Amino acid sequence: GAGVSQSPSNKVTEKGKDVELRCDPISGHTALYWYRQSLGQGLEFLIYFQGNSAPDKSGLPSDRFSAERTGGSVSTLTIQRTQQEDSAVYLCASSLGGSNIQYFGAGTRLSVL
Amino acid sequence: KQEVTQIPAALSVPEGENLVLNCSFTDSAIYNLQWFRQDPGKGLTSLLLIQSSQREQTSGRLNASLDKSSGRSTLYIAASQPGDSATYLCALSTGGGNKLTFGTGTQLKVEL
Repeated sequence: GAGVSQSPSNKVTEKGKDVELRCDPISGHTALYWYRQSLGQGLEFLIYFQGNSAPDKSGLPSDRFSAERTGGSVSTLTIQRTQQEDSAVYLCASSLGGSNIQYFGAGTRLSVL
Repeated sequence: KQEVTQIPAALSVPEGENLVLNCSFTDSAIYNLQWFRQDPGKGLTSLLLIQSSQREQTSGRLNASLDKSSGRSTLYIAASQPGDSATYLCALSTGGGNKLTFGTGTQLKVEL
């Protein structure tokens, strides 16, 4: 079966532009997570969805970051007015529930020039 | 706040050697601990998951142990192979929803 799919795999944008990153979780997985991996900060949690609700968005670094999930499936992470410090690899993961193994996508590498 | 540290940061060993990667954490109130490997340009692959009530898990040449009281986990790799070369990350779940707090990683290189 298909794993977690993320698109685009690479995104280069200019400072100040908005970007949307997409995540298609494994079919049937109710939990979905976004993480960010950057050189200076390691791998950090951003937001967690259970179904379409986000009970934990404590890791979003600023109000420029938002995410939504529709139909209990696809999720999009939106970054408005991108800054150079937003450059990182954004990873998505899904799991069957809130306490099982998380399966990760290959990530989206975002470069803000 | 949970702090997760992995030692060493980098390790280079000859093929066939047995090795141990270390993970230490500051808050023992965890739900589970996972070990992942990450290959360059790819996502994370889950290797082993240990529930908080367990002491160890084994999969093939890999064995992971958990000692909550001392805030430590180890990943033992037997008879290492060049294909084991990757970055290894430990990650802890400490709350509802299972969000993970990741360690700093160990970059492993197994040489022929």
